[in-house]
Amino acid sequence: QVQLVQSGAAVTKPGASLRVSCKTSGYTFTNYGFSWVRQAPGQGLQWVGWISAYNGNTNYALSFQGRVTMTTDTSTNTAYLELRSPRADDTAVYYCARAPSPAAAVGPADYWGQGTLVTVSS
Amino acid sequence: QSALTQPASVSGSPGQSITISCTGTSSDVGGYNFVSWYQHHPGKAPKLLIYDVYKRPSGVSNRFSASKSGNTASLTISGLQADDEADYYCSSYTGSSTLVFGGGTKLTVL
Repeated sequence: QVQLVQSGAAVTKPGASLRVSCKTSGYTFTNYGFSWVRQAPGQGLQWVGWISAYNGNTNYALSFQGRVTMTTDTSTNTAYLELRSPRADDTAVYYCARAPSPAAAVGPADYWGQGTLVTVSS
Repeated sequence: QSALTQPASVSGSPGQSITISCTGTSSDVGGYNFVSWYQHHPGKAPKLLIYDVYKRPSGVSNRFSASKSGNTASLTISGLQADDEADYYCSSYTGSSTLVFGGGTKLTVL
């Protein structure tokens, strides 16, 4: 069965870098993409960006451009999210979610990771 | 990209039906048939309920239905059950190859 298993909760200092991993199994990794979505405390879901597991193409939400990098490792079927210079308001649960198209950020997120709580605090 | 507009909360009694609206623009909801709806119980991963405006994934109850008219999409839940109490989010593909979520609607089953 399809599984997305994310890395554990993390605490990071403002200005450092945060990285979340999402290891997958149960399907052909390169036939899909990934969306990353976050939920800050008391807030709604916010789309961070998308990456193709086929060719590594990315699309990032405007508010994250310049600060976020998404990558994939086809040897381990794992997706990664890196956010540079995080601020306190980047404290959130970060989710990876499988996206149906390896070509564009279109389409629904049909399987989700369990979420990773990232706390940005000095 | 501004978030799609959803009512902050809706409520209904068991057995009743409720509808949640999701209003965007011609650059997102109105421009593409790529609207999805998610159910999110706090502390759990969101669950896909509807995709491509009205399609239900395998395993999702037919009590959940959806539609779109112009720049507004709607999710209807019929035969409300206690377990339907959750947050509901719409999302849409946009003209700039990105996705946008609605602000979320908290459903209370009275």
